[in-house]
Amino acid sequence: DSGVTQTPKHLITATGQRVTLRCSPRSGDLSVYWYQQSLDQGLQFLIQYYNGEERAKGNILERFSAQQFPDLHSELNLSSLELGDSALYFCASSLAGGHTDTQYFGPGTRLTVL
Amino acid sequence: QKEVEQDPGPLSVPEGAIVSLNCTYSNSAFQYFMWYRQYSRKGPELLMYTYSSGNKEDGRFTAQVDKSSKYISLFIRDSQPSDSATYLCAIPSGGYQKVTFGTGTKLQVIP
Repeated sequence: DSGVTQTPKHLITATGQRVTLRCSPRSGDLSVYWYQQSLDQGLQFLIQYYNGEERAKGNILERFSAQQFPDLHSELNLSSLELGDSALYFCASSLAGGHTDTQYFGPGTRLTVL
Repeated sequence: QKEVEQDPGPLSVPEGAIVSLNCTYSNSAFQYFMWYRQYSRKGPELLMYTYSSGNKEDGRFTAQVDKSSKYISLFIRDSQPSDSATYLCAIPSGGYQKVTFGTGTKLQVIP
């Protein structure tokens, strides 16, 4: 158990809908990362937050947004969902957000868009 | 050209075999290299990391970097069925603003 929690574990929804994925980092970690993992694209970095502020952005679509709250939990919002958004979404956390920091991954949220 | 490329496998070996997992990378400036292991239905977990070039050993696992060839390897000695997982190489990139992961190699160790 990495200490990172993600809810929900599974999410099934329809195209055009909006969903929110939630992540609680390990105790003491200030940085949160979001990744999307699909069979054909592998693990793709979406976005990173450090202590409430956006630190780095990857291949995140405009339909997706995220934030980190004062209690350090984070939410990833996915809107106008398309079939291609079906994937595993992982949250990870690290102590200080440095590029050599160990990232601890949560168990993931499996999103299915029908 | 992708920043990190990895053969997706799958790779199937008998128990006790030596396994070699490999990645290539594009930027010769990369200095820090990581290997993550991901069991089925779980998130990735850091297995090993190494700086610059050379070898690093941890039990049955050895990480090797060849900077001249821009090639990194993970060797598993005396492989066990519990090593069956997907192995992902990972490199801080994008001006060190992100970590780029390889697509992962799925390994199955058969008893």
